[in-house]
Amino acid sequence: ETGVTQTPRHLVMGMTNKKSLKCEQHLGHNAMYWYKQSAKKPLELMFVYNFKEQTENNSVPSRFSPECPNSSHLFLHLHTLQPEDSALYLCASSQTKGQGNNEQYFGPGTRLTVT
Amino acid sequence: SQKIEQNSEALNIQEGKTATLTCNYTNYSPAYLQWYRQDPGRGPVFLLLIRENEKEKRKERLKVTFDTTLKQSLFHITASQPADSATYLCALDTEPGGYNKLIFGAGTRLAVHP
Repeated sequence: ETGVTQTPRHLVMGMTNKKSLKCEQHLGHNAMYWYKQSAKKPLELMFVYNFKEQTENNSVPSRFSPECPNSSHLFLHLHTLQPEDSALYLCASSQTKGQGNNEQYFGPGTRLTVT
Repeated sequence: SQKIEQNSEALNIQEGKTATLTCNYTNYSPAYLQWYRQDPGRGPVFLLLIRENEKEKRKERLKVTFDTTLKQSLFHITASQPADSATYLCALDTEPGGYNKLIFGAGTRLAVHP
């Protein structure tokens, strides 16, 4: 498998459920990112991990909890979400700057619906 | 306040014409500006990167310009094809450190008609 993969592709959950989104990159990158994309709004950066260390948390509510066990895997643990959290959640990875180009490679996303 | 603006209205053009998309920003000093393509229900795909000291970058039918004085980037697709129909996102890289902190515009939807 190549590139950036995300599972599941679609998720419907109730407000009291706990679920996790998984992201895996096969590109040898050291930085991984979580974004939220709501309809007609720009991608919102949620979290950044660089060499497995969290370097950005853009005021994300604590009901979203990231985990990065190694440079290839990234999780987003979800609990007690709200309907306004329904969105497309995108994972991305990139080289560390200075080691190559600076573009980000995105996964296909998880379409999350909170009921 | 910091802002990135892209035309919110869809751009409709005829096949074979040149599409020009605009990205304006305020209160940023990006080291890099990137353009991505996003198809419905898919993740964005990187197209081009231009640095603050570069005026123009080309790749096949794509051309990007970057004017740090005007705080504007233009993205051109020449000889457009229906397959170019998608949403195009500009993104500013604002993090001088070891990783990319991209701030995205909302995107402009391009529709190329046969």
